[in-house]
Amino acid sequence: KQEVTQIPAALSVPEGENLVLNCSFTDSAIYNLQWFRQDPGKGLTSLLLIQSSQREQTSGRLNASLDKSSGRSTLYIAASQPGDSATYLCAVPPRGDAGGTSYGKLTFGQGTILTVHP
Amino acid sequence: DAGITQSPRYKITETGRQVTLMCHQTWSHSYMFWYRQDLGHGLRLIYYSAAADITDKGEVPDGYVVSRSKTENFPLTLESATRSQTSVYFCASGGQGLFTDTQYFGPGTRLTVL
Repeated sequence: KQEVTQIPAALSVPEGENLVLNCSFTDSAIYNLQWFRQDPGKGLTSLLLIQSSQREQTSGRLNASLDKSSGRSTLYIAASQPGDSATYLCAVPPRGDAGGTSYGKLTFGQGTILTVHP
Repeated sequence: DAGITQSPRYKITETGRQVTLMCHQTWSHSYMFWYRQDLGHGLRLIYYSAAADITDKGEVPDGYVVSRSKTENFPLTLESATRSQTSVYFCASGGQGLFTDTQYFGPGTRLTVL
């Protein structure tokens, strides 16, 4: 069974800092990994999706990397802002299933609660 | 309005009552999902549907029933609510792309079972 762990569980930083959120998974036979953001009382919003053939994906100040062999992904946030304060979750699908029968059965990490102080 | 909506947003019910949570999406996505989010357990998949009239169990399906007669709707029913089903429920939808499509989440329904 796939297990996803996120470290740290919570992070508090001053505005302007660059920071790294970590995600590890036990079964490396995945075909993608996603990072989501969740604001308090809201649903999840997709930030980045990295396919297994990719090593990085970038969107604005966000950069996500994927190392399947070591079972790790990192989300790098550059020049953090108070508006970045949220919970960040990573998620992976079941091992190697590209046939569609298990599509979407994502396993989520517990999330990292990020607070950026002005 | 385009997107994915859930109703009600908040619900308080009593143990043993039947409760139905509604989910509606306007993108014509094939896939729809129901998750619950609890402290200490994170986000867990309850049921999912690959298309109208096709549903399958997720990680925690016991005590829940789903149906999908129309592509755009995916209601979740708690047939006899229990206190352990107090949670925040999220509906999500996604397209056909196995490698590139993400899931789009609704705003959630906060359910309290007394």
